[in-house]
Amino acid sequence: NAGVTQTPKFRVLKTGQSMTLLCAQDMNHEYMYWYRQDPGMGLRLIHYSVGEGTTAKGEVPDGYNVSRLKKQNFLLGLESAAPSQTSVYFCASSYGRGWDAFFGQGTRLTVV
Amino acid sequence: AQTVTQSQPEMSVQEAETVTLSCTYDTSESDYYLFWYKQPPSRQMILVIRQEAYKQQNATENRFSVNFQKAAKSFSLKISDSQLGDAAMYFCAYRVGAGGTSYGKLTFGQGTILTVHP
Repeated sequence: NAGVTQTPKFRVLKTGQSMTLLCAQDMNHEYMYWYRQDPGMGLRLIHYSVGEGTTAKGEVPDGYNVSRLKKQNFLLGLESAAPSQTSVYFCASSYGRGWDAFFGQGTRLTVV
Repeated sequence: AQTVTQSQPEMSVQEAETVTLSCTYDTSESDYYLFWYKQPPSRQMILVIRQEAYKQQNATENRFSVNFQKAAKSFSLKISDSQLGDAAMYFCAYRVGAGGTSYGKLTFGQGTILTVHP
């Protein structure tokens, strides 16, 4: 029972490079989220999706793009990585508004 | 906008003792949920306890209990009989209830690092 799986778990990027983080869930959840965790700031919402083909901006969306082409997958893209995007990224999913979220194991991204 | 504040960056406790982590929040909603998450060094986010705002009774899960003061917008976590495995970062979080339009988005506090001394 995989739950929410994030790929990769660790990544080092050079400034200006691009990359995509993949989040996959096998629980048939409707809602999916991307958060970033920074010291002293907790987790902050980047983007979220309330269903296949939908995306919406969260609290800190600048520099990121997302896509939800398939219900089970939610992709987070960095087109031109910056050192300020060094962070731990978490994906989460839930059945809907009144349901608890399940979290992935996180991706530690370092931009040098 | 909703905010969640954890004013204790770090706390420590002796094994078998009791520790309380503080959290305050601000909201204009009447239907909402409050959570405590544990994040051990493995980075996994683990749900410790949940409190529905409409419930007056404080939630309890084994050694973990909360003190929910709705009027004061305070939500503290008490860990009794602390164990070495309780050492972790703890996050307080808020979510609007099912009837709202926030789509299940969570608002987190800054986190409190808990150290447990043997």
